[in-house]
Amino acid sequence: GAVVSQHPSWVICKSGTSVKIECRSLDFQATTMFWYRQFPKQSLMLMATSNEGSKATYEQGVEKDKFLINHASLTLSTLTVTSAHPEDSSFYICSARLAGLRLAKNIQYFGAGTRLSVL
Amino acid sequence: KQEVTQIPAALSVPEGENLVLNCSFTDSAIYNLQWFRQDPGKGLTSLLLIQSSQREQTSGRLNASLDKSSGRSTLYIAASQPGDSATYLCAGTQGGSEKLVFGKGTKLTVNP
Repeated sequence: GAVVSQHPSWVICKSGTSVKIECRSLDFQATTMFWYRQFPKQSLMLMATSNEGSKATYEQGVEKDKFLINHASLTLSTLTVTSAHPEDSSFYICSARLAGLRLAKNIQYFGAGTRLSVL
Repeated sequence: KQEVTQIPAALSVPEGENLVLNCSFTDSAIYNLQWFRQDPGKGLTSLLLIQSSQREQTSGRLNASLDKSSGRSTLYIAASQPGDSATYLCAGTQGGSEKLVFGKGTKLTVNP
């Protein structure tokens, strides 16, 4: 149980285009999902917290107009990288937190990640 | 602000050896401490979760401990195997919230 699916796993795009990444909780509902970014040989850095039905909360230094997050249902959050540039090339990972279970409320389940390469 | 440090950055051991990975954190108001495994180019696999009221967790050959007073956690791997080769990440919550702050990881290589 508690599987998080992330799609696509790898995307290559031209500079200036937009890319959408999906994060789905397959067998549980997630009121909260998180988006992380990982540059080579660096740790994961939290970009934003996505709450179902409300606006995402962005971490300091993350441009909310560039990284659009939509969490329209309890099982799906999307991250759109708008007008992507080579410096946006990175590994993006989402996680989902179980809703409703007190003991498990702070456990995050992670997707397999999306490698974005902007040419 | 929570900061998480992992030492060493890389470790190479022969198969069968017992080993310890270290993680230190600055904010003792930690809610959860989690250890993950990450294979090259892949996502994260959660190994062990230690909640603030706990001191250790065990799963198979893995044992993780948490000492909030000293700001340290260790991951002990017994009888290491080549399949254990991966990067191990430690993550702690920040300021009593659910936000996870990650260390840079320890890259483990277990040689046959």
